Amino acid sequence: NAGVTQTPKFRVLKTGQSMTLLCAQDMNHEYMYWYRQDPGMGLRLIHYSVGEGTTAKGEVPDGYNVSRLKKQNFLLGLESAAPSQTSVYFCASSYSGTSGGLQYFGAGTRLSVL
Amino acid sequence: GENVEQHPSTLSVQEGDSAVIKCTYSDSASNYFPWYKQELGKRPQLIIDIRSNVGEKKDQRIAVTLNKTAKHFSLHITETQPEDSAVYFCAASSGGGADGLTFGKGTHLIIQP
Repeated sequence: NAGVTQTPKFRVLKTGQSMTLLCAQDMNHEYMYWYRQDPGMGLRLIHYSVGEGTTAKGEVPDGYNVSRLKKQNFLLGLESAAPSQTSVYFCASSYSGTSGGLQYFGAGTRLSVL
Repeated sequence: GENVEQHPSTLSVQEGDSAVIKCTYSDSASNYFPWYKQELGKRPQLIIDIRSNVGEKKDQRIAVTLNKTAKHFSLHITETQPEDSAVYFCAASSGGGADGLTFGKGTHLIIQP
């Protein structure tokens, strides 16, 4: 049971390049989330999904797209990377229902955009 | 949307003393309040959480209190140890967490030997 796995762990991009971050969970969770963490800002929600085939915008969605084609995977895409997207990205997942809310985090992806 | 304020941003205490971190939230619909501990370069780890139908919850040296009327909740760590040094985040969510968490900006807790 690996929990929540994020790939890659590190990436350096040039401005304008695109990339996809992959999040995979093996806990059969319904809900999945993408957050970014910047110094002094805490974690901020980018997008989230409450089930396969569904996605919704969080607090800071601009410049990102997501897809949840399979229940266990949640992809975060940057179509044209900007220096402002330099950050640490965390994926999380949680159960639905009365046990919902408890989020399990991946190890993070450190992204630098030059 | 929800807004979570966290204080202080840095807290330095002597080993063995108690530490208290406070958070306020704005959305009266919020009903789930977790606390996360994050060590440098690591993922956030849940240390304790509380739901709005409970006023206080304790787990060994860690406790959380919730005042729904005043919309604030606090983390209490007693008998602090060097391994308690980390950044602590509070968060809030409505709908049991389905809509994601809104985090405070964090408190850097330093335990002085």
